Amino acid sequence: EAGVAQSPRYKIIEKRQSVAFWCNPISGHATLYWYQQILGQGPKLLIQFQNNGVVDDSQLPKDRFSAERLKGVDSTLKIQPAKLEDSAVYLCASSLDRRGSRAFFGQGTRLTVV
Amino acid sequence: DAKTTQPPSMDCAEGRAANLPCNHSTISGNEYVYWYRQIHSQGPQYIIHGLKNNETNEMASLIITEDRKSSTLILPHATLRDTAVYYCIVRVWNYGQNFVFGPGTRLSVLP
Repeated sequence: EAGVAQSPRYKIIEKRQSVAFWCNPISGHATLYWYQQILGQGPKLLIQFQNNGVVDDSQLPKDRFSAERLKGVDSTLKIQPAKLEDSAVYLCASSLDRRGSRAFFGQGTRLTVV
Repeated sequence: DAKTTQPPSMDCAEGRAANLPCNHSTISGNEYVYWYRQIHSQGPQYIIHGLKNNETNEMASLIITEDRKSSTLILPHATLRDTAVYYCIVRVWNYGQNFVFGPGTRLSVLP
């Protein structure tokens, strides 16, 4: 089975610039997650989608971060404008919407803001 | 916040069993225990999960105490490629529930 695809793999931008990340979840997975992982820490949820609806975006800095999930499949996460503290790995994951399901993670996008 | 407590680091000799503990004293009856690991520069990788009974798969065994307040992940014959950060997560299957990661345990398998 194909895994969760993310692109780009690496991105370097200057502060105040904008950036977008793309995620293609596993086919049939209704739930999609975006996590931010700062160096040395565990991943932290930014936003969770159920099909194309937002379930939880309580930890998403909405003044600069936005995300959408088109037609309940692919998703994009955008940062505008970026700050130095946004340097992190952005992980996308997907799961089935059923009891005991597990999440499958992509390789992540490593963002460096300079 | 994560509902689990894990030691920050552990060492294990190559070829020996690695036993990684996790405390989840506030776990509720409908919460599963999940284990993931993250090898450097990769996304978290699923290892195993369970609800009440012990579980075993090709990667590891999960031992859950009878009161479900703690669990142990066992890698039976650790190799250098098992060096990673291991995360223990408790999660209920419910609308809106996500996987909450703590800092995990950094396992170093030594030659």
